[in-house]
Amino acid sequence: LAKTTQPISMDSYEGQEVNITCSHNNIATNDYITWYQQFPSQGPRFIIQGYKTKVTNEVASLFIPADRKSSTLSLPRVSLSDTAVYYCLVVYTGRRALTFGSGTRLQVQP
Amino acid sequence: GAVVSQHPSRVICKSGTSVKIECRSLDFQATTMFWYRQFPKKSLMLMATSNEGSKATYEQGVEKDKFLINHASLTLSTLTVTSAHPEDSSFYICSARDSGLAGADTQYFGPGTRLTVL
Repeated sequence: LAKTTQPISMDSYEGQEVNITCSHNNIATNDYITWYQQFPSQGPRFIIQGYKTKVTNEVASLFIPADRKSSTLSLPRVSLSDTAVYYCLVVYTGRRALTFGSGTRLQVQP
Repeated sequence: GAVVSQHPSRVICKSGTSVKIECRSLDFQATTMFWYRQFPKKSLMLMATSNEGSKATYEQGVEKDKFLINHASLTLSTLTVTSAHPEDSSFYICSARDSGLAGADTQYFGPGTRLTVL
């Protein structure tokens, strides 16, 4: 299974763009990169998923370089409500189960 | 779409009793559901994979006789914590994969169940 490494914590201020980078050096050909957001005492919420290049939705953008050994989740103009833990996961379609790393604890200040 | 519910959201029980937690996919069918456990300030740990119509697959170190899983339909999986002890107190979260989607597995998580064993 591809292991992911991401910063333990990040701080930001309201209105700023936040970029969280995740490394996954052992990613395999069939793996996708998925990001989840989790608030305290809640289940993780799917944010975005991608395979290569750039993916954008109404919540975030996901940038994946050509070698796919890393990915960057970009949150535009964060607000206080974006304070949460963000998990980067490499999803192998064959196994289906998700392996969670430690995640990045984002703290947004006013 | 892609909503997963859990019931109850919070339960407090006495040591030695059994507790059942339900996980439902509300607007899609899920042949596979997953059960995770999360301790405070820690990440999610996969406990078992629940397969509709067959036995669950447990992760190493998870006692199958203690954590009974039943996946009787395409929209319901249950986790029963038998003879609960205080060390079983945790946040239990289920997830479901939308079987109708092709491509990568996007899993949707329930809101979690906080179990406190006295």
